[in-house]
Amino acid sequence: GDSVTQMEGPVTLSEEAFLTINCTYTATGYPSLFWYVQYPGEGLQLLLKATKADDKGSNKGFEATYRKETTSFHLEKGSVQVSDSAVYFCALSALYGNKLVFGAGTILRVKS
Amino acid sequence: EPEVTQTPSHQVTQMGQEVILRCVPISNHLYFYWYRQILGQKVEFLVSFYNNEISEKSEIFDDQFSVERPDGSNFTLKIRSTKLEDSAMYFCASTGLRLAQYFGAGTRLSVL
Repeated sequence: GDSVTQMEGPVTLSEEAFLTINCTYTATGYPSLFWYVQYPGEGLQLLLKATKADDKGSNKGFEATYRKETTSFHLEKGSVQVSDSAVYFCALSALYGNKLVFGAGTILRVKS
Repeated sequence: EPEVTQTPSHQVTQMGQEVILRCVPISNHLYFYWYRQILGQKVEFLVSFYNNEISEKSEIFDDQFSVERPDGSNFTLKIRSTKLEDSAMYFCASTGLRLAQYFGAGTRLSVL
């Protein structure tokens, strides 16, 4: 079945450092890909999405590019802030309306 | 901005009791979902609902679980006889024409 694999955390960075969180997926067909963020004590917030190969999703300085050839959707940010500390989930949906399949989540800790 | 609302935020119950978790999806959304997240683990799909019927369910969603859309706005998840292992954060989500699923803040269910 479909699956998502994320790099294990926690990832600990200093403020203004460059962030990469790796995400690869296994799916039949052409899934849509998402990054969700969960701040402490809160629910899941959509961070960005991409629906086809070579699409780049971006939001709040975060970016991810849908790479079909490597089945990857890595999350990047050029300069992290303490407020970016959260758990980041990569997810896919095989078709419109279908369930989301989540990765295990990656804890990001940013130190000032 | 429209949002998914869930009530209550925290539900404490005794093992064997019935609980109903409530959600108000974003109006004009078409698909509705329940997910759960056991503490420290990944987000797991439970069930999706479209056109007043279940469109997909996971192995977790056994006969103890049911969903209902009793009116035009509410979407509920019922657990008939709770078990200790049902303790988790339960998230409701909905999606419209823009593909991405939008999540509520969650209900923390504690089964004692």
